[in-house]
Amino acid sequence: DTEVTQTPKHLVMGMTNKKSLKCEQHMGHRAMYWYKQKAKKPPELMFVYSYEKLSINESVPSRFSPECPNSSLLNLHLHALQPEDSALYLCASSQDRQENSYEQYFGPGTRLTVT
Amino acid sequence: AQSVAQPEDQVNVAEGNPLTVKCTYSVSGNPYLFWYVQYPNRGLQFLLKYITGDNLVKGSYGFEAEFNKSQTSFHLKKPSALVSDSALYFCAVRGRYGGSQGNLIFGKGTKLSVKP
Repeated sequence: DTEVTQTPKHLVMGMTNKKSLKCEQHMGHRAMYWYKQKAKKPPELMFVYSYEKLSINESVPSRFSPECPNSSLLNLHLHALQPEDSALYLCASSQDRQENSYEQYFGPGTRLTVT
Repeated sequence: AQSVAQPEDQVNVAEGNPLTVKCTYSVSGNPYLFWYVQYPNRGLQFLLKYITGDNLVKGSYGFEAEFNKSQTSFHLKKPSALVSDSALYFCAVRGRYGGSQGNLIFGKGTKLSVKP
């Protein structure tokens, strides 16, 4: 099973709302990632969790708050977003961030629209 | 610093013809290279990877890629294109040092269009 699931598929939120994106994998992977992707652009790394600890924050604004409750789950909490934050948010996982050979597996993404 | 370049924004191919999507890389040390495909409004799907070994790597859906060290290239190929191959293709290299270690560094993407 190489599946990463993400919910919801689509999300529309106002700038004053609080919402959360969820990601789940059952491949036993110990590294999980959040990416932001604008239309026709490559994904941009936001956060990396390695063994449930935040290991990378790519200077992401504090209105995005990641959480890794356990090794299978990754959340992204959203608050006071701006219209320019509208994008496809992708979750990915890999066996380990430090190993040299493991590809990342991506979920289908959450299409976020901020109004 | 590790990087990949995809020189073509778009590649157009007729169905049944061979296709090539180009990727060149710039790395320190041995490269770990990947190809991903993205269909509209979907996540990225892993196609294949090169770590070590044979220069010709076979992947999903009939795709293959040729690692060429002297030309620092890792072009994606398929002998006979299908209309359903139309999608956005990303080449990626694995970061090796410091904060980028283990992360994927993507090219800008190449849109493949296969016409019937």
